[in-house]
Amino acid sequence: SAVISQKPSRDICQRGTSLTIQCQVDSQVTMMFWYRQQPGQSLTLIATANQGSEATYESGFVIDKFPISRPNLTFSTLTVSNMSPEDSSIYLCSVDTGGVNGYTFGSGTRLTVV
Amino acid sequence: GQQLNQSPQSMFIQEGEDVSMNCTSSSIFNTWLWYKQDPGEGPVLLIALYKAGELTSNGRLTAQFGITRKDSFLNISASIPSDVGIYFCAGPGEYGNKLVFGAGTILRVKS
Repeated sequence: SAVISQKPSRDICQRGTSLTIQCQVDSQVTMMFWYRQQPGQSLTLIATANQGSEATYESGFVIDKFPISRPNLTFSTLTVSNMSPEDSSIYLCSVDTGGVNGYTFGSGTRLTVV
Repeated sequence: GQQLNQSPQSMFIQEGEDVSMNCTSSSIFNTWLWYKQDPGEGPVLLIALYKAGELTSNGRLTAQFGITRKDSFLNISASIPSDVGIYFCAGPGEYGNKLVFGAGTILRVKS
């Protein structure tokens, strides 16, 4: 299965600022996925990052708030913009490498907005 | 959209006991995945099920893909302290390549 490096692992940010989270995969993948996990909650898909085209956002998530870059087949970034305390969550990237190992997740970025 | 109903929400069991949790859906899933999330980590895939009726084991873990394609269960036998964590069921959503997750089952083991 793919190995995903995600950073930062955690951060504490001031409200109104932005944070960019990076996700690096050790193999080329077509699609990368960004999830949010609010405290005590399950995972919710934010968007699908495609190389060479704009990301596809799920209902309730918009590009202005969560801009995504996908410059190549092994890397993606998610920015959380103009943060408020409600954005405090764990943000996870994921890839689908197919086969029995299916979807693999990074270790997540634990974001606290104060 | 598709939703997965996972139960129980949490369990606090004695070390050595067996554990069972399940997921149901009102719609059909063609794949069922079971993940475990340790504190401070991302989810790790435990078992993947691809065929209705399939029963698959991974060590002390056993999972089954329901015949109706609308449910799955995960059993853990002889639980140990390192089984502590959050267990999620998941499956590809209606467009096939995006995962839908259950709410999770929090497992605590008393030694």
